[in-house]
Amino acid sequence: NAGVTQTPKFQVLKTGQSMTLQCAQDMNHNSMYWYRQDPGMGLRLIYYSASEGTTDKGEVPNGYNVSRLNKREFSLRLESAAPSQTSVYFCASSEMGRGANQPQHFGDGTRLSIL
Amino acid sequence: GNSVTQMEGPVTLSEEAFLTINCTYTATGYPSLFWYVQYPGEGLQLLLKATKADDKGSNKGFEATYRKETTSFHLEKGSVQVSDSAVYFCALGGGSTLGRLYFGRGTQLTVWP
Repeated sequence: NAGVTQTPKFQVLKTGQSMTLQCAQDMNHNSMYWYRQDPGMGLRLIYYSASEGTTDKGEVPNGYNVSRLNKREFSLRLESAAPSQTSVYFCASSEMGRGANQPQHFGDGTRLSIL
Repeated sequence: GNSVTQMEGPVTLSEEAFLTINCTYTATGYPSLFWYVQYPGEGLQLLLKATKADDKGSNKGFEATYRKETTSFHLEKGSVQVSDSAVYFCALGGGSTLGRLYFGRGTQLTVWP
């Protein structure tokens, strides 16, 4: 029962480097999400994809790009990492898009440090 | 707009004590309400949910009632255990939120034996 799988689990980058965080779900969910979690801030939505082929900005999209590669996979890219992007990143998926009352299922997170 | 305000932590209790974590919300439309729990080093797990006014969500001894008149969804448990130590998040979704969730800032609960 894999659910939502995120890779890598940990990563250290230098300022200006780029990297892609990978996320895959095996629940046949339509919608996928990327959040960042910072102390005292809760979870903030970076980008989401209501369905395959669509992506939309969330609360804090600056400095990030996303790709919904297929129904299973949703990647998050940092083109030029900055120390302010040090955070724990969570991917989530849910069954429906617009107007959904379905809960979201979360991966275990990627802990990213940028020096 | 949509937002969730959650009781600030941390909350520290002795085992078997009564727990309340307050959550209030602002929303357009008719949202669903959720409580998620995060154990150390893990992602968030759904604890319980309620999809309409006066619904009560319950799981593992935790309960929360969707109160439209007070725009609240407070989490309660009658007798906490050490294993309940975690961070708890209140969240709002559905309705006019386009499928996304709005989270509160989280409440750290520590239960001592």
